[in-house]
Amino acid sequence: DGGITQSPKYLFRKEGQNVTLSCEQNLNHDAMYWYRQDPGQGLRLIYYSQIVNDFQKGDIAEGYSVSREKKESFPLTVTSAQKNPTAFYLCASSIRGSAGELFFGEGSRLTVL
Amino acid sequence: DQQVKQNSPSLSVQEGRISILNCDYTNSMFDYFLWYKKYPAEGPTFLISISSIKDKNEDGRFTVFLNKSAKHLSLHIVPSQPGDSAVYFCAASYGRGAGSYQLTFGKGTKLSVIP
Repeated sequence: DGGITQSPKYLFRKEGQNVTLSCEQNLNHDAMYWYRQDPGQGLRLIYYSQIVNDFQKGDIAEGYSVSREKKESFPLTVTSAQKNPTAFYLCASSIRGSAGELFFGEGSRLTVL
Repeated sequence: DQQVKQNSPSLSVQEGRISILNCDYTNSMFDYFLWYKKYPAEGPTFLISISSIKDKNEDGRFTVFLNKSAKHLSLHIVPSQPGDSAVYFCAASYGRGAGSYQLTFGKGTKLSVIP
């Protein structure tokens, strides 16, 4: 089955630690995205990538980093510089130029202890 | 500055009746609008979309209406079913060159359909 796989589903981190969230897709989509959802908030764009080896900052990129070495993979690192990292993180992909019809993964919930 | 607004955080509707979810936007450049449905602890799933060249799009029980002059769109669900209970996100996009689009999401409306 084609889809997007995010791991881990739940992650706990101590303050000051970096953590990496995995996102893999087998939909052959060019574009991939990372969003963050907080309670009562919409989805806010962290980073996106339209093509391998290229990515752009979204609206709330500070404290995050990404890489896009393979078409299928778009990992997100939450660094210690991110002041409020506790959130639900969603990875998505789309056909490039699809005007926004995104396919989302199941999400990863990060909790900072 | 919130460019996509869903002013009702929650909505309760009786099973079998119509659910109407509203969304307003401020950016005139938006030319494509989407609705996503989200269950707790899951990723959103695409529901229905509409291009700015249309004012209505239907898919089964779901209809989206677009009023460009008012910068307003709405999602109608008829008849509502308990399985429709979820958070609904309105989203908007426009082309930013080289086939690149970014979605801007509203904060969501939690729909509860009461049996």
